Amino acid sequence: DTGVSQNPRHKITKRGQNVTFRCDPISEHNRLYWYRQTLGQGPEFLTYFQNEAQLEKSRLLSDRFSAERPKGSFSTLEIQRTEQGDSAMYLCASRWAQNTEAFFGQGTRLTVV
Amino acid sequence: GIQVEQSPPDLILQEGANSTLRCNFSDSVNNLQWFHQNPWGQLINLFYIPSGTKQNGRLSATTVATERYSLLYISSSQTTDSGVYFCAVGSRQGGSEKLVFGKGTKLTVNP
Repeated sequence: DTGVSQNPRHKITKRGQNVTFRCDPISEHNRLYWYRQTLGQGPEFLTYFQNEAQLEKSRLLSDRFSAERPKGSFSTLEIQRTEQGDSAMYLCASRWAQNTEAFFGQGTRLTVV
Repeated sequence: GIQVEQSPPDLILQEGANSTLRCNFSDSVNNLQWFHQNPWGQLINLFYIPSGTKQNGRLSATTVATERYSLLYISSSQTTDSGVYFCAVGSRQGGSEKLVFGKGTKLTVNP
């Protein structure tokens, strides 16, 4: 296993377009997390899945954002009607259990023009 | 929610120098990790250390959970140590699974 994998690595989109990102966690990890990081800040939590169930969502996750993990393996994060303020690095992480080490993917850098 | 404060925000060193980065947190934790973010944005795991002391080569970390702080020591720094170091904690309270990150310490090691 090569770790957490995210695609695409970079995405440039026009304001108002929809975008979708994919995260493939470490295979034996049942917990998957999405974070967003803007310039000069630490990552901020967006949402968390345990297997296919979405168990926690941040207030940062507006109604334009939706995340899925349909079979408890990979996850997708979709942003509808993108805004310039959505420009950020989107990071995915996975871990086996709550009190274990989390591992992050390389991130998807989104630029909305 | 839990607050995480890292200090100093910026640190400039000459190659070979030692440094200590600090992470203070406002509540009891069940998770604490130190990361190094590389120039491409990936978070590299350094330590999983909710309590105690660990060492890995030139890096070591200590978490004193009862006093709500953690320290990351870098000895004999190298230019490749440059980057942003983040502390992230998971709170014992409220049942949340999220990690809360500090704002990071930006380390620059000059040759």
